[in-house]
Amino acid sequence: DVKVTQSSRYLVKRTGEKVFLECVQDMDHENMFWYRQDPGLGLRLIYFSYDVKMKEKGDIPEGYSVSREKKERFSLILESASTNQTSMYLCASSLLPQGATTDTQYFGPGTRLTVL
Amino acid sequence: AQKVTQAQTEISVVEKEDVTLDCVYETRDTTYYLFWYKQPPSGELVFLIRRNSFDEQNEISGRYSWNFQKSTSSFNFTITASQVVDSAVYFCALQTDSWGKFQFGAGTQVVVTP
Repeated sequence: DVKVTQSSRYLVKRTGEKVFLECVQDMDHENMFWYRQDPGLGLRLIYFSYDVKMKEKGDIPEGYSVSREKKERFSLILESASTNQTSMYLCASSLLPQGATTDTQYFGPGTRLTVL
Repeated sequence: AQKVTQAQTEISVVEKEDVTLDCVYETRDTTYYLFWYKQPPSGELVFLIRRNSFDEQNEISGRYSWNFQKSTSSFNFTITASQVVDSAVYFCALQTDSWGKFQFGAGTQVVVTP
């Protein structure tokens, strides 16, 4: 079974703090994704990575950055947290073998971040 | 542009009733993939089904069934004889690009009461 883990289930930070959210997958997946989930808006893609040190912006990258130094780990960074970044953050990974056009994304349990 | 619409925000049913969740998508691509995920109160999204645009066969898996109609750009999901454990948020998603990115709908909250 694919296992995607996230470093914290709940996190409370103050405005202006630098926040790191960590995600680790154990299935040697190529692609990793960071989403935020807000009521009525579904999941929106923040960033994704298709290889080590490679990253692409998603639909809402403003205020976020990412890091992928190892294949299994994908970090989301809030450089200076703001109250409008209070949300549920979900990490996902997928294999997407070379030549394939689709693969299922597998999700972690989520981190509920509150910025005060 | 890709878009997924789940018009039903919340559906409440009594146990053993059937419930159908609507999903309407928009895309200009001829090759695409549709997914359904379940998010129980624990928070983790659980994969339910993947369907490609060339396969319009309906699918049944236990109490779950899916109806894919390209003519109406819909991929609806039915839970038959609902149970309390079916209470969750259900997301429909569309994938069209080569990076495997998803476009999610807003989700439908299903509440099943005993």
